[in-house]
Amino acid sequence: DIQMTQSPSSLSASVGDRVTITCRASQGVRNELAWYQQKPGKAPKRLIYAASSLQSGVPSRFSGSGSGTEFTLTISSLQPEDFATYYCLQHHNYPPLTFGGGTKVEIK
Amino acid sequence: QVHLVQSGAEVKKPGASVKVSCKASGYPFTSYDINWVRQATGQGLEWMGWMNPNSGKTGHAQKFQGRVTMTRDTSISTAYMELSSLRSEDTAVYYCARVYGSADYWGQGTLVTVSS
Repeated sequence: DIQMTQSPSSLSASVGDRVTITCRASQGVRNELAWYQQKPGKAPKRLIYAASSLQSGVPSRFSGSGSGTEFTLTISSLQPEDFATYYCLQHHNYPPLTFGGGTKVEIK
Repeated sequence: QVHLVQSGAEVKKPGASVKVSCKASGYPFTSYDINWVRQATGQGLEWMGWMNPNSGKTGHAQKFQGRVTMTRDTSISTAYMELSSLRSEDTAVYYCARVYGSADYWGQGTLVTVSS
């Protein structure tokens, strides 16, 4: 199975900061990767699909890039409501679905 | 509008089984796979398995071999996930998710607590 390695596992940032989270796949997944935001007690919410397509209704400060084995989620200017945990998900060889380990974004 | 609504929280004793439901609305139920994902407290997301509601075909992660059963009732657009031989490590929030490529819509989650 494809393994997804996400980094960092946590980070501290301030409102207005630019934040970058990386996911690395153990083998190529083309662009079959999504990013999710999860807040405590809530289900994950999809932010990005097909590596770089913004989910309808998601603010444009979120962006995704990459293809193959290296992917990035960028928040251009961190807002208070963005403090959450973020996960990547690959679906190239679905089934299975494979999640990254998560990145917790905390307030500095 | 797409909604997945799951059944309520459960408390089970070790060795028992639990069956979680996931009622879909707002789209043709048989047109998209339903997947199940769980999350222990403070931990990441763990994929459990999938079901094609049209054919009823299922598959699951190896670690749940022999313990998980996924079914559906197309007449009421509802998917079910049953986990047997529960142990304390199965205490988690269980989510259903619609999958079209990636998982686009999720249920609200069902907390299953396994405790003697």
